[in-house]
Amino acid sequence: GQNIDQPTEMTATEGAIVQINCTYQTSGFNGLFWYQQHAGEAPTFLSYNVLDGLEEKGRFSSFLSRSKGYSYLLLKELQMKDSASYLCAVRDSNYQLIWGAGTKLIIKP
Amino acid sequence: ETGVTQTPRHLVMGMTNKKSLKCEQHLGHNAMYWYKQSAKKPLELMFVYSLEERVENNSVPSRFSPECPNSSHLFLHLHTLQPEDSALYLCASSQVAASSYEQYFGPGTRLTVT
Repeated sequence: GQNIDQPTEMTATEGAIVQINCTYQTSGFNGLFWYQQHAGEAPTFLSYNVLDGLEEKGRFSSFLSRSKGYSYLLLKELQMKDSASYLCAVRDSNYQLIWGAGTKLIIKP
Repeated sequence: ETGVTQTPRHLVMGMTNKKSLKCEQHLGHNAMYWYKQSAKKPLELMFVYSLEERVENNSVPSRFSPECPNSSHLFLHLHTLQPEDSALYLCASSQVAASSYEQYFGPGTRLTVT
């Protein structure tokens, strides 16, 4: 079967750095996405990786290793507004998105 | 209006009711999706309309019925629902064949079945 694993919850301190991991087992691979979802709101697109390596976008970076079936989202200089759930999703060989259950990130002052 | 809109935002219905959820995208995309989001569970893809072709998840009960009259509008018709159908229903759209074609989500309809 297809599976996306990510931690259920993480806690970090304002101003610090946090890394959210995602491992996947899917039938084929056509890209990996990270989304942010604040409570009661729609998921919003953060990043897309299709080749191995690091993609940097401001305070957020996303890394992919296709051989290991592994990705992480790195958030730097954490702000209180970064408190949200972070969803990892992989597009499979049928171009359908397979979603993880999300990681709830709690930022403490 | 911009992006993806959904109405209503909240809906409470009895098990014998019939209701419809509406989604509209203002992005010029050619694919639309319905997802179910339950607490602490992955997003469940329910239906996809892509390039006017309907792709259906076989595990979706027949009490959920989608309708896509054109590329900008998507409906989810509900009838004789069960309490376990209570969830957040999200609509999304994307541009198929774009480089990454990430999905853009609407704010969702919070559905409670009593």
